[in-house]
Amino acid sequence: QKEVEQNSGPLSVPEGAIASLNCTYSDRGSQSFFWYRQYSGKSPELIMFIYSNGDKEDGRFTAQLNKASQYVSLLIRDSQPSDSATYLCAVKANDYKLSFGAGTTVTVRA
Amino acid sequence: KAGVTQTPRYLIKTRGQQVTLSCSPISGHRSVSWYQQTPGQGLQFLFEYFSETQRNKGNFPGRFSGRQFSNSRSEMNVSTLELGDSALYLCASSTRSGTDEQYFGPGTRLTVT
Repeated sequence: QKEVEQNSGPLSVPEGAIASLNCTYSDRGSQSFFWYRQYSGKSPELIMFIYSNGDKEDGRFTAQLNKASQYVSLLIRDSQPSDSATYLCAVKANDYKLSFGAGTTVTVRA
Repeated sequence: KAGVTQTPRYLIKTRGQQVTLSCSPISGHRSVSWYQQTPGQGLQFLFEYFSETQRNKGNFPGRFSGRQFSNSRSEMNVSTLELGDSALYLCASSTRSGTDEQYFGPGTRLTVT
């Protein structure tokens, strides 16, 4: 079983719609959770982090964490063509080691 | 505040050679982690250095090594290059405290021929 699993893509959404990305993790001791955005040919860019159960909102992005279900998600509201990228879920355990999911590629159709 | 810098940005080497990549973290960040990214394997953790000591290590052969200097700059070395080492090598810096967000540099694209 992979440490971090993301819903398989690609995910195609129309402009203005909500894109929903899911991630599950296996290590119950995980403490911090991150979402990175990676454009083709570029390095990952941190867009959200969350460490408490519940929701965290930042602009059009909302991260949701449920530690009991070992589940973290990212919602992108009012999706724009510039949101087209691969989104990586990352999970950090107590040893500070960051484990990444395989990524979900999102395409926003104009 | 300047971001993470990596040099060189692109590198072409032949099998059997060795290569050294460099990473300068964000000012004040003392932790540097290295990752290998390939289309087939995704982002894989190589190792982490904090205060000049290796704190974590991924599942890579001993050909992959690194070090960190007193100014927190880090180098990664790959010896006896293989074709499969062709990848984007990324370093990320953090404070190794609190939620410890990691910020990535632009990466070094290594091609082994």
